[in-house]
Amino acid sequence: QVQLVESGGGVVQPGTSLRLTCAASGFTFRSYGIHWVRQAPGLGLEWVAVIWYDEIKKEYADSLKGRFTISRDNSKNMVYLQANNLRVEDTAVYYCARDPNTYCGGGCNSGFDSWGPGTLLTVSS
Amino acid sequence: SYDLTQPPSVSVSPGQTASITCSGDRLGHKYAFWYQQKPGQSPLLVTHHDGKRPSGIPERFSGSISGNTATLTISGTQTVDEADYYCQTWDRSTVVFGGGTKLTVL
Repeated sequence: QVQLVESGGGVVQPGTSLRLTCAASGFTFRSYGIHWVRQAPGLGLEWVAVIWYDEIKKEYADSLKGRFTISRDNSKNMVYLQANNLRVEDTAVYYCARDPNTYCGGGCNSGFDSWGPGTLLTVSS
Repeated sequence: SYDLTQPPSVSVSPGQTASITCSGDRLGHKYAFWYQQKPGQSPLLVTHHDGKRPSGIPERFSGSISGNTATLTISGTQTVDEADYYCQTWDRSTVVFGGGTKLTVL
């Protein structure tokens, strides 16, 4: 069955960097887009980034562009989120989620059909 | 930036119909999706853009969209439906979530 599992969270100090990982299994990984979505404690969902099938096409939330980098390795069924210069407000549960589309440049006609359990990143001094 | 507006909370009695709205500029010209999130769990897609349900989602969940508003309707609401609900759409090539609505069934 479709499975997404995030890892790499933990407690880090402001200004440091961290890489989160999303391991996928149970489907033809290279045929799907993968998103990162985060949720600060007690708050709502915030979209972070998407990477499409070809490891090249990617988009970011404007507020995070420049500090966060999404990448994927189709040979390993992995998606990564590199987070740099972390701030206290980056504290959140980070989820990866599957997009049923191989690629759509916007106006995608499908929601995110599978989510991982999330990994908690805490940025604190 | 593009914003989606949801009411913070909605209350419904068991067996009644719950309606949760999501408003955004020209939302009727976009696709909108709804997610359910229970405490300590990951979000779960409950409706596709056309209101159809993913496999395993009960028939009591339906979605519609018109004008600037998307609506999630839960018919015959059950206590197990108590959760946070989020709408989602696309703005050009980026994703937007609504702020979420806490549905209370009592």
